[in-house]
Formats: sequence, C-alpha cells, structure tokens
Amino acid sequence: DSGVTQTPKHLITATGQRVTLRCSPRSGDLSVYWYQQSLDQGLQFLIQYYNGEERAKGNILERFSAQQFPDLHSELNLSSLELGDSALYFCASSPPRNEQFFGPGTRLTVL
Amino acid sequence: AQTVTQSQPEMSVQEAETVTLSCTYDTSESNYYLFWYKQPPSRQMILVIRQEAYKQQNATENRFSVNFQKAAKSFSLKISDSQLGDTAMYFCAFMKTSGTYKYIFGTGTRLKVLA
Repeated sequence: DSGVTQTPKHLITATGQRVTLRCSPRSGDLSVYWYQQSLDQGLQFLIQYYNGEERAKGNILERFSAQQFPDLHSELNLSSLELGDSALYFCASSPPRNEQFFGPGTRLTVL
Repeated sequence: AQTVTQSQPEMSVQEAETVTLSCTYDTSESNYYLFWYKQPPSRQMILVIRQEAYKQQNATENRFSVNFQKAAKSFSLKISDSQLGDTAMYFCAFMKTSGTYKYIFGTGTRLKVLA
C-alpha cells in the first residue's frame, strides 16, 4: 500500500459526459501528479500540483482540468468524454525531489 | 530535453534465471535520480529500485540490482533468481533534482517469467 488513495476504482460512463476523479496523497506529500495510461501503453504525464498550485503541465487536453485543494487532495475533471479517453488514470504523490508513490488508479470506461 | 529509452518491448526468462532490462537516457543535467518501476497485471505501479546520480555504487534491493553507467547514460536492471511474480511491465524513469519538474518514464519492457 503506497498510502495514495484514489476514488473511484472503476467508472463507466457515456460519451459526452463529465466525470471527476479524486486523489488523496500520502501524508505530508505536497506534490500530486496525474497520469493517463491507455491499454498496453506507457504513462502519459498530465499535470502536477504542488501545495495547491499548478507546477507543470504535460499532454493534458483542454477538456481536462485539475485542481489541488487546501487539504492537498486533488481532483481531475474530464469533460465531453470521448471513447479514446478510456484509460487507467493514476495519481501519484511525492515528497520534494523524491520518487513518486502511485495510487491504485481509476479505470475509466467510456461507452 | 531529457529522454528515456527502453529498447526491449518484450522479454522472457525462465524461472530461477537472471535477466537484464536495458534503459538509456539523455540529459545535460548533472544531478538526477533514476528509478525502475514494476507494473504487474494488477496495474499497480510499484517502485523497485532507485539510484542517485551522484552515487557511484550501484543500488541493490534483494534480487534486484542496477548497473548504472553515468558516462554512457545507461541504467539497466538485473533481476536474479527470477520468480513467476516478477512477470510485469517494467518502466525506467528519470527525475531531475533541480529547477522545474521533470519526471520522464520510458515506454516499458514487458517481462514474462516462464515456469
């Protein structure tokens, strides 16, 4: 158990819908990262937050947005969903300048 | 720009044998960390081993060890006495330790341990 929690574990929705994925980092970690992993693919970095502020942006679509709240949990919002958005979405947290610890992921299926 | 390359998409090894997974990277940074992550069929990402670039000694964690060649920018993972539970996707990752965020994953090597 990495100490990073993600909810929900599974999410099934329809095209055009909007969903919110939630992540709680390990106690004390200020950084949160979001990744997308499509089937049998590598990890695509989406976005990083540090102590509530956006730190870095990767290949995140304009239909996607994220935020980190004062209690350090983070949410990833995916809107106008398309079939191609079906993937495993990981959240990771880390202490400064250190390895990332990954949550179990949220499996999103868009029908 | 930093890049991480894993040139072996798939590998297999017999149970109890030794296997080496390759990773090369490109960076102009002098301070960085390198990691190997394992992703078993459960899809959980698990840290296997880490190496600080300033350390000359290769990291070891039980049956897992690395061969870190800084000048050659090579960071291979050796798995000794392979077990069926080692079957997984293995990702090499690079993290710079100064300036803005840079954490880059390779494309992964799928390892299958055969009984």
